[in-house]
Amino acid sequence: EAGVTQSPTHLIKTRGQQATLRCSPISGHTSVYWYQQALGLGLQFLLWYDEGEERNRGNFPPRFSGRQFPNYSSELNVNALELEDSALYLCASSLVLGQGLRPQHFGDGTRLSIL
Amino acid sequence: TQLLEQSPQFLSIQEGENLTVYCNSSSVFSSLQWYRQEPGEGPVLLVTVVTGGEVKKLKRLTFQFGDARKDSSLHITAAQPGDTGLYLCAGANPNAGKSTFGDGTTLTVKP
Repeated sequence: EAGVTQSPTHLIKTRGQQATLRCSPISGHTSVYWYQQALGLGLQFLLWYDEGEERNRGNFPPRFSGRQFPNYSSELNVNALELEDSALYLCASSLVLGQGLRPQHFGDGTRLSIL
Repeated sequence: TQLLEQSPQFLSIQEGENLTVYCNSSSVFSSLQWYRQEPGEGPVLLVTVVTGGEVKKLKRLTFQFGDARKDSSLHITAAQPGDTGLYLCAGANPNAGKSTFGDGTTLTVKP
C-alpha cells in the first residue's frame, strides 16, 4: 500500500511569490491534514479537509489556503510568501472521521525555503 | 486552547540506558498517538492509546495513557542508536476537529 506522497520535495521561492504544495493521501483515506513544522519546533496545525470540504483551520493568515479534489488529493497554497514561511510542510491522511479522530499517517513533507 | 507539553525537550543518553518521555495536558483527549520523526522524513505512527490507564508495548517501547486521559508516557528500555529521533505525542479531540501536537522530545542515543 502506497503511503502519503507529497510534491515537490523541496521548493525555493523568494519573498512575495506564491507556492503550491501537493499531497496524495493513502488510498481509502478521505481526510487530509496540513501542518507547518518550523526548524526545531513541533507541528502547527494548518488545515483539515474531508470529503472535499474545509473542516477546520489553524491560527494562520488567509494567505494560507488550500483545497481537496474529488480524488481526495489536496493542494496547499501560500500567497505573498514571507521569510518566516520557511518550514517543512507536512501532509497527513486518515480514515473517515468516526468515534474520535483516526490516527494520521504522514508524508515526508515539502521543504519550503524563502530567500 | 488545548496544549500538550512534552518533557524533556532534549535527551542524550548512552546505548543501553533506559528513559521515559512525558506528555502532559490539562485537557482530556479521546485518544493519544505517539510518533517518531527522523531527519528529512515525516512522523511515523508508533501507537494509539484510547482507554484511560491503557498500557501498550512495542518491543522495547512501553506506552501508557493516564487514567484521566490527560497525560501519557513513553518508556524505552535498553535504548539503541536506532531509537534516535524526535518523539511527538498528539492528542485527538473530535469536538475541535483536529489533533494537537506537543513540541516533541529530541532523543539522541550514543553508541
